[in-house]
Amino acid sequence: GAGVSQSPSNKVTEKGKDVELRCDPISGHTALYWYRQSLGQGLEFLIYFQGNSAPDKSGLPSDRFSAERTGGSVSTLTIQRTQQEDSAVYLCASSPRRSGREYFGPGTRLTVT
Amino acid sequence: DAKTTQPTSMDCAEGRAANLPCNHSTISGNEYVYWYRQIHSQGPQYIIHGLKNNETNEMASLIITEDRKSSTLILPHATLRDTAVYYCIVRVDGSSNTGKLIFGQGTTLQVKP
Repeated sequence: GAGVSQSPSNKVTEKGKDVELRCDPISGHTALYWYRQSLGQGLEFLIYFQGNSAPDKSGLPSDRFSAERTGGSVSTLTIQRTQQEDSAVYLCASSPRRSGREYFGPGTRLTVT
Repeated sequence: DAKTTQPTSMDCAEGRAANLPCNHSTISGNEYVYWYRQIHSQGPQYIIHGLKNNETNEMASLIITEDRKSSTLILPHATLRDTAVYYCIVRVDGSSNTGKLIFGQGTTLQVKP
């Protein structure tokens, strides 16, 4: 069956521009997570959705970062006024419920020049 | 969630069993032990998880000590495709938890021919 998909797979943007990253979770999965993996850093949690609400946004690094989820399905992570330190691989994961295994997408590699 | 300690790197000969240790001495009674791996340039992949009993699936076995302060992931017949970073994570599963994963640095397993 279809797994978690993310688009685009690669994104190069200029410093100061806004970017949107998309995640399509596995159908029926109510929990959705965004993580970030920077070069030389580990995987860090950004935000968690249960349905369309985000009860845990504790990992968002600044107010330039926001995310939404609609229809209990697709999620979009938006980064405004991108900075070079935002360069990283952004990973999305979904789970049929808030505990148990998470299924990860292939990630979006963001490069800010 | 409790912290885990893993060796930074390990080597294993192809065809041999790979035994990856994890220390989680501060684990709580309701925390599960999860293992994920990340093959280069891919999203993390779930391997196995357990609470206190040993677990086995088609990928690996998980051995948890009786006091639950440590565990070992066993890949019974390592192949070159098992070369990856392996993450041991402890997490509370349940309605009171968001289910987010806190990744450490993991163990880089190099399987050699």
